[in-house]
Amino acid sequence: EIVMTQSPATLSVSPGERATLSCRASQSVSSNLAWYQQKPGQAPRLLIYGASTRATGIPARFSGSGSGTEFTLTISSLQSEDFAVYYCQQYNNWPLYTFGQGTKLEIK
Amino acid sequence: EVQLVESGGGLVQPGGSLRLSCAASGFTFSSYEMNWVRQAPGKGLEWVSYISSSGSTIYYADSVKGRFTISRDNAKNSLYLQMNSLRAEDTAVYYCARHKRWLQLHDAFDIWGQGTMVTVSS
Repeated sequence: EIVMTQSPATLSVSPGERATLSCRASQSVSSNLAWYQQKPGQAPRLLIYGASTRATGIPARFSGSGSGTEFTLTISSLQSEDFAVYYCQQYNNWPLYTFGQGTKLEIK
Repeated sequence: EVQLVESGGGLVQPGGSLRLSCAASGFTFSSYEMNWVRQAPGKGLEWVSYISSSGSTIYYADSVKGRFTISRDNAKNSLYLQMNSLRAEDTAVYYCARHKRWLQLHDAFDIWGQGTMVTVSS
């Protein structure tokens, strides 16, 4: 099983600032990585697939990068609606998709 | 509007059974692979099961293998999860999620339902 590790567990950032979230895979997943956003009481929402391609309707302030075992989700200028929990997911080891444990992005 | 709506959750005793349903609308259900993903209270996401568009290929997480059965009825635009021999650790919100593939290179779960809560407790 490929283990996905996200850091930090909690990130405190002020509105308007940049947020950088990390995700590490226990073995290479190439660029087969997705990012999801989840707000309290809501279902996850797909943000990024292919490590760097934004899903339909996702604002340009969200960007993804990385390949192999190291990945980053960057939110360039935080809006109030961006404070949520973010999960990475690998789909290299199909169908045993695995998620990271999540990073909570909170208002500083 | 593309939508997935789960139902069937509730309180069940350990060892009991429950059947979850997921009704799809706004897209050609029979063309899409589907998944169940769960989230224990205050915890992260765990993939549970996958079914191909025709229903001919099925996979399960080790944690549910032999106890859960995924199925679909394309004529009814519906996905199901039959859960038997339930344990306390199966307590979670269960989401159905559409599996989207891009050019056979990348895939992800692009549409999610709102989830249905399953509580296993005596």
